[in-house]
Amino acid sequence: SQTIHQWPATLVQPVGSPLSLECTVEGTSNPNLYWYRQAAGRGLQLLFYSVGIGQISSEVPQNLSASRPQDRQFILSSKKLLLSDSGFYLCAWSVANYEQYFGPGTRLTVT
Amino acid sequence: AQKVTQAQTEISVVEKEDVTLDCVYETRDTTYYLFWYKQPPSGELVFLIRRNSFDEQNEISGRYSWNFQKSTSSFNFTITASQVVDSAVYFCPYGGRRALTFGSGTRLQVQP
Repeated sequence: SQTIHQWPATLVQPVGSPLSLECTVEGTSNPNLYWYRQAAGRGLQLLFYSVGIGQISSEVPQNLSASRPQDRQFILSSKKLLLSDSGFYLCAWSVANYEQYFGPGTRLTVT
Repeated sequence: AQKVTQAQTEISVVEKEDVTLDCVYETRDTTYYLFWYKQPPSGELVFLIRRNSFDEQNEISGRYSWNFQKSTSSFNFTITASQVVDSAVYFCPYGGRRALTFGSGTRLQVQP
């Protein structure tokens, strides 16, 4: 069966520090991968999605970037965090455009 | 652009009551998917159902049922005999040619 992992679960970082969140999927090949952000009490906002290694589409201009170095690995990064980057970050995978399966999420607080 | 509206911000019911969560979407796509997800307090989104735009059959799964009406662009979700474990935020994202478009969700609180 398929499994999706995200880490860390929680993170507290000062403004201006770098960020690296990792997501890995097991049990499937060539999945579509996604990064979403959820502000408190809000819906999910798509940040990036990828249909293959090295193929990244950005949905929202910001100081975040994403990379897909391996088929089942998706990384979200920032060189300098802003206060507005605080939120709940969710990684998801899917086969084609069917239902997406989400990881447990990372709760990021920028202080 | 696609848009999903979940007008009910928060609903509170007493256990065993039936409750319907409303979802209305806007799109110009002819082919698309609609989904329902549950987000319990732990934060992880749990997939509940997918519906194709060309399939308007209603679906029932245990205490859950879904009513898709293309004519009114609605995809409503009913929980029969609600339970405390149903307390969560529910989303009905739209899926077109790329990733999902989410509304703001409906928080359901089931009181014992």
